[in-house]
Amino acid sequence: GENVEQHPSTLSVQEGDSAVIKCTYSDSASNYFPWYKQELGKRPQLIIDIRSNVGEKKDQRIAVTLNKTAKHFSLHITETQPEDSAVYFCAAIDYDKVIFGPGTSLSVIP
Amino acid sequence: DVKVTQSSRYLVKRTGEKVFLECVQDMDHENMFWYRQDPGLGLRLIYFSYDVKMKEKGDIPEGYSVSREKKERFSLILESASTNQTSMYLCASSPGITDTEAFFGQGTRLTVV
Repeated sequence: GENVEQHPSTLSVQEGDSAVIKCTYSDSASNYFPWYKQELGKRPQLIIDIRSNVGEKKDQRIAVTLNKTAKHFSLHITETQPEDSAVYFCAAIDYDKVIFGPGTSLSVIP
Repeated sequence: DVKVTQSSRYLVKRTGEKVFLECVQDMDHENMFWYRQDPGLGLRLIYFSYDVKMKEKGDIPEGYSVSREKKERFSLILESASTNQTSMYLCASSPGITDTEAFFGQGTRLTVV
């Protein structure tokens, strides 16, 4: 079936540094790519998304880039803060089906 | 605000029991999903439904079934619970229009003993 790979599985950065998480998808029909953040004990929540007709999107310290030809997209967090520590999931959506990556556990060290 | 509510936060069941996990959404969403979340494996799709009485298998449907008799409610059923079904179960819904996010419930941590 379709799948989404995500790397790295764990990531530790110093506060103030940048963090980058990369995802690769297999379904070329996927056209919507959201990123979710899941804090400990809480439900996943959308933090940013990108659609297939856009190459890059930015929202304050968070940005997402998409390369449809290579079928990969990345999350960039700049000036990381301790509250950015969480598990981050990427997803690829082809119409109704939502397929998630395995997640990246990000730790921001004060 | 979209609300997706799962009936239980924590459940402990015995091996062989029939288990029902209920999920209700209040935003008239067409699509509903059941995932299980395990460390290192992320969110794996069990079943999804794009309409009342419609269901589609996800990546790991074995040992599970679902029911969607009403638009707002999507139930996950473990016919005969086994210890390898101990996991966090997350329900989600989405509007059913292309290019939209999924909204999650708070999760049910099921332990099968």
